[in-house]
Amino acid sequence: IAGITQAPTSQILAAGRRMTLRCTQDMRHNAMYWYRQDLGLGLRLIHYSNTAGTTGKGEVPDGYSVSRANTDDFPLTLASAVPSQTSVYFCASRRTGRSEAFFGQGTRLTVV
Amino acid sequence: LAKTTQPISMDSYEGQEVNITCSHNNIATNDYITWYQQFPSQGPRFIIQGYKTKVTNEVASLFIPADRKSSTLSLPRVSLSDTAVYYCLVDYYNQGGKLIFGQGTELSVKP
Repeated sequence: IAGITQAPTSQILAAGRRMTLRCTQDMRHNAMYWYRQDLGLGLRLIHYSNTAGTTGKGEVPDGYSVSRANTDDFPLTLASAVPSQTSVYFCASRRTGRSEAFFGQGTRLTVV
Repeated sequence: LAKTTQPISMDSYEGQEVNITCSHNNIATNDYITWYQQFPSQGPRFIIQGYKTKVTNEVASLFIPADRKSSTLSLPRVSLSDTAVYYCLVDYYNQGGKLIFGQGTELSVKP
């Protein structure tokens, strides 16, 4: 089934550990995004990529890094997790600017 | 960057028409207005997009006045399943394509 897949679905992580959240899409979309959503709040953009090989900072990039080695994958890395990074993380993709964005099912991350 | 402002929450009853208004005073010439819907524990999904005047699809209508400084999402005859958070976005086409979500409007539909 075509779409966008995130892994893992949920994770409990010890503070100070490194963690990579995976995001893969098979729709050949140019643009990809990572968001975090905290309880009762809207989505905040962490990083984005308009095309393979390029990335940009969003609203809350500190503590996170991304790479875009190819069109399909857009991993998000927490180099040294802290409890304030406990959140639900959503990955999204879309073909071009203005077009409809498709979201993954989310990764629930708890840093203890 | 254009900032959007929308009500934090709204209540409605089944069968009513719901109108959610979003203000975006600093919208740029090439920006589009897009609305997304998010159910609990799910990612947002696209509802409707427009540039000016009125757009209608099978789910909703979007009204945009001539000055484009606001927009109104209209949901006809809502049901309990329309209970969700609705986000208004200004698509920053000239800003590198960032997709910025605001706080959203939490719509609660009651029987």
